[in-house]
Amino acid sequence: QVQLVQSGAEVKKPGASVNVSCKASGYTFTSYAIHWVRQAPGQRLEWMGWINAGNGKTKYLQDLQDRVTMTRDTSASTASMELRSLRSEDSAVYYCARVRVTGDFIWDYWGQGTLVTVSS
Amino acid sequence: DIVMTQFPDSLAVSLGERATINCKSSQSVLHNSNNKNYLAWYQQRPGQPPKLLTYWSSTRESGVPDRFSGSGSGTDFTLTISSLQAEDVAVYYCHQYYTSPLTFGGGTKVEIK
Repeated sequence: QVQLVQSGAEVKKPGASVNVSCKASGYTFTSYAIHWVRQAPGQRLEWMGWINAGNGKTKYLQDLQDRVTMTRDTSASTASMELRSLRSEDSAVYYCARVRVTGDFIWDYWGQGTLVTVSS
Repeated sequence: DIVMTQFPDSLAVSLGERATINCKSSQSVLHNSNNKNYLAWYQQRPGQPPKLLTYWSSTRESGVPDRFSGSGSGTDFTLTISSLQAEDVAVYYCHQYYTSPLTFGGGTKVEIK
């Protein structure tokens, strides 16, 4: 069955970087894009961007363009998201999600979430 | 950016009764080329990731109980739970995927009365 398993919780200081991984199983990794969505406490879901797991092309939320990088390792069926220059407002649960069908933006499988806490 | 506005923020419904959640987009999410509304609904139970309920406004995801139904077109959409069950206690989000940046509503919390 399809599974997305994310890395564990992280605590970071302001200005640091965090890397969250998302290991996929149960399907052909390169056939489906992976999106990243975050949820700050009490806030609505926020889409961060996506990576084409086949060719590695990415598209990011403009507000995060300068601080985020999404990559994938096809040999490990793993997508990763790095966020740099962390601020307190980056404290959130970060989710990876797989598209339902190649080429669309509907997400049918999600990772369990990774809590990132930014605190001095 | 397309702003998604949900209402109410929360509602309490008796078991077996109907729950209705509304979502309004700041611009139409109906694509003229295929006559599809780029609108999905997700359910998020406490401590869990979101779960896809419906997409293209009214297409129910496989495995989702038929008491969940989505409707609407253009800028106005509704998620209806026809007979609320205890396991439906959750926050529900509408989501537009018509254009980037993809955006979500603020969520509607559904509780048991």
